[in-house]
Amino acid sequence: QQPVQSPQAVILREGEDAVINCSSSKALYSVHWYRQKHGEAPVFLMILLKGGEQKGHEKISASFNEKKQQSSLYLTASQLSYSGTYFCGQPGAGSYQLTFGKGTKLSVIP
Amino acid sequence: DGGITQSPKYLFRKEGQNVTLSCEQNLNHDAMYWYRQDPGQGLRLIYYSQIVNDFQKGDIAEGYSVSREKKESFPLTVTSAQKNPTAFYLCASRPHKAESTDTQYFGPGTRLTVL
Repeated sequence: QQPVQSPQAVILREGEDAVINCSSSKALYSVHWYRQKHGEAPVFLMILLKGGEQKGHEKISASFNEKKQQSSLYLTASQLSYSGTYFCGQPGAGSYQLTFGKGTKLSVIP
Repeated sequence: DGGITQSPKYLFRKEGQNVTLSCEQNLNHDAMYWYRQDPGQGLRLIYYSQIVNDFQKGDIAEGYSVSREKKESFPLTVTSAQKNPTAFYLCASRPHKAESTDTQYFGPGTRLTVL
């Protein structure tokens, strides 16, 4: 089953903050976050492995709550370069392929 | 440079023709994947392969076929049986050993348009 992302889209002004959520109806062992620019390949941002553990990439951080089966991506003081579609992916139990959410389109405007 | 290459970047075909999309990697990764991306649909798994000469269907395998004769190569054929083949196709790879920090890395994609 596909993880559910929210919101579907968000528009920010430069310097504003945003939160993107990813939730699953089944147990999450890890969450993989990617960002994709239009017409390009998704670029790996980070993996969340343990409950409550936060990771960081530039001014982007994330948390992972195993009990709630959800992860959140935090974008702080957004920059124009943060624009793109963000995907979360979850691995199946005992398998290597990822199932991705439908994505959250983030637009940062001056 | 190590990485994943897909060719061509843009591909146009007439309806009813089979077409093969190339995916090559020199990362020495065991596992390779094909995804299809449509607007608003995210990434949907077509086929994946964990080792040479073995592959499994993903969520939307109908109308597609693959082969894995070499570790470096995982070509995808879009057959005439695929009803709506126009899409952006992404290839990815990952080390086979299930290290918890391993993830998938994507190629640049091929945009297929069927006229």
